[in-house]
Formats: sequence, C-alpha cells, structure tokens
Amino acid sequence: ETGVTQSPTHLIKTRGQQVTLRCSSQSGHNTVSWYQQALGQGPQFIFQYYREEENGRGNFPPRFSGLQFPNYSSELNVNALELDDSALYLCASSEAAPPYEQYFGPGTRLTVT
Amino acid sequence: QKEVEQNSGPLSVPEGAIASLNCTYSDRGSQSFFWYRQYSGKSPELIMSIYSNGDKEDGRFTAQLNKASQYVSLLIRDSQPSDSATYLCAVNYPNTGNQFYFGTGTSLTVIP
Repeated sequence: ETGVTQSPTHLIKTRGQQVTLRCSSQSGHNTVSWYQQALGQGPQFIFQYYREEENGRGNFPPRFSGLQFPNYSSELNVNALELDDSALYLCASSEAAPPYEQYFGPGTRLTVT
Repeated sequence: QKEVEQNSGPLSVPEGAIASLNCTYSDRGSQSFFWYRQYSGKSPELIMSIYSNGDKEDGRFTAQLNKASQYVSLLIRDSQPSDSATYLCAVNYPNTGNQFYFGTGTSLTVIP
C-alpha cells in the first residue's frame, strides 16, 4: 500500500509569486484535504476535494485554489504570495465514508521572502 | 464557531509514568474524534480514532470520549522518551463532510 506523497519537500518563493504544491493520495482513497500549519499551531483546514469537486472550504481567500485529478491526486495553488503564507502545507487523504480517518503526507515547507 | 481546545503544555512526565492529554470541543453534535502525534519537523501521524462514549484501548494508548461533557482525552501508559512529541486533537464536525478541525496541540516531554 502506497502512502500519501507530496512534492516538493521545500520551496522558497518571493512575495507576489505563485506556487503549486502537489499531492498523491494513498491507494484506495478518493478524498484529499489540504491544511496549512504555521509554526506552533495546529493544522488549519484549507479545502477538501472529492471526485474532482471542492467539497468544503475553510477560511482562506480565493487566491488559494485547488484541483483534483481522476487518479485522485491533487494540487494546491497559491497566487500573490504573502509573507504570512510561509508555513507547512499538509495534504491528507481519506475514504469518503466513515470512519473518515485522514492520513497525512510529509508536507511541503513553503518560505516566502 | 468550530473550536477545539487543548492545553499547549509543555507537559513533562517521567519515563514509565502515565501521560494524560485533554481536549474539549464546541459542537455537541460532533461524531468523530482523532488523536495525532507530530514529531518536530514532521507531519501528523494518526494514533487513534474514537466515535462512541467510553474508552478505546490500543496498546499503550487509551482514548476516552465523553460527549455529554464535550471532552476527549488520550492516556499514554508506560511513557517512553520516544513518545516526546506534540499531540493534536482533531474533531470531525457534523454537516461538514469529512473536514477536520484541529487544536493547537499539547507538547509532551518524557524525561528518562
């Protein structure tokens, strides 16, 4: 069984640039959720994708957008990067049925300068 | 407002002791509760999930749920230095599908 993978591991961008982060879900999982985790904080829900459709969104501006592909992999896009976007971005995959257990990938550390 | 509250710690226990981690949540209708362990610089790792009132045991870990009090806890028996990490409580709120809301985590240090 293949676990959740994310790329890249680390990324450094300049304020105002755009970034794309990628996630491959665990085998058998069809739902992908994205989280932002600032230092010393718990993960904050960004949005979730199920069957290529957005299935809920947290309190993040529209410059955070995403996609899910037919193979259930997913992308997170962030436009017009701000310094406060510096964080660990986590992808989690799950089945779309109880118990809804989510399994996280290793994360992408984004630094905006 | 969907809130999940945890004591940030740090919590220190001697090796071999029981570590007790607590979490409260704001929505009485919540159905599913999860504990994750996160080592410094790593991603969260699922330890346990619990859905029914009472205790659920898995090895050295016991999750306890009291829906009436909106309280979920994690007990770690025979604590080991390798248990030193931040423990995150996550709640799946009703009518939000499969969306998790996390607390800020409790930092645990097990002293050899």
